[in-house]
Amino acid sequence: DTEVTQTPKHLVMGMTNKKSLKCEQHMGHRAMYWYKQKAKKPPELMFVYSYEKLSINESVPSRFSPECPNSSLLNLHLHALQPEDSALYLCASSLSGLGGRNEQFFGPGTRLTVL
Amino acid sequence: TQLLEQSPQFLSIQEGENLTVYCNSSSVFSSLQWYRQEPGEGPVLLVTVVTGGEVKKLKRLTFQFGDARKDSSLHITAAQPGDTGLYLCAGPVVSRLTFGEGTQLTVNP
Repeated sequence: DTEVTQTPKHLVMGMTNKKSLKCEQHMGHRAMYWYKQKAKKPPELMFVYSYEKLSINESVPSRFSPECPNSSLLNLHLHALQPEDSALYLCASSLSGLGGRNEQFFGPGTRLTVL
Repeated sequence: TQLLEQSPQFLSIQEGENLTVYCNSSSVFSSLQWYRQEPGEGPVLLVTVVTGGEVKKLKRLTFQFGDARKDSSLHITAAQPGDTGLYLCAGPVVSRLTFGEGTQLTVNP
């Protein structure tokens, strides 16, 4: 299995809602990432989990809360978002987050719209 | 300041034409990766170049890594509408992957 899956594909939420994005990989990768991407721009790193521990938080607002229940799963909990948080949220995984080539495999993304 | 500079930023060509996309840096990279992203999808890894001067071919796509490992190029021969997408170069920096700004390619039938 060489795939990263993400659910849901699309999500529309109000500013007072609480929702979660889910990501799963079964490639035995030990590093997992959350990115935010605006149209026609490169992905912006939000969080990195390495061996199920949060290793990088790129000063992301607390309304975004990541969770890594096990080595195959990554969640992003959303609460009290703002309209400017509307974007494509991408999950990625790599064999190891500790350097090397850091070849990352991306999921299809969740298109989030905040009303 | 962008660590990886990509050019051109936008490219619109006719089917059958050739094109080259550049990815340049003033820093040395241990490797560089190229991704293609179609609208509404995640980036797909096309290739990783590791050795200075390396050339890799993937059907009509040719990737080069500069001798000094500071730059890379992607050449597409006889472009097709299916090549349309956002092309991103990326390189590992500590525990992160740094991306260029991307080249938005449109191939018109």
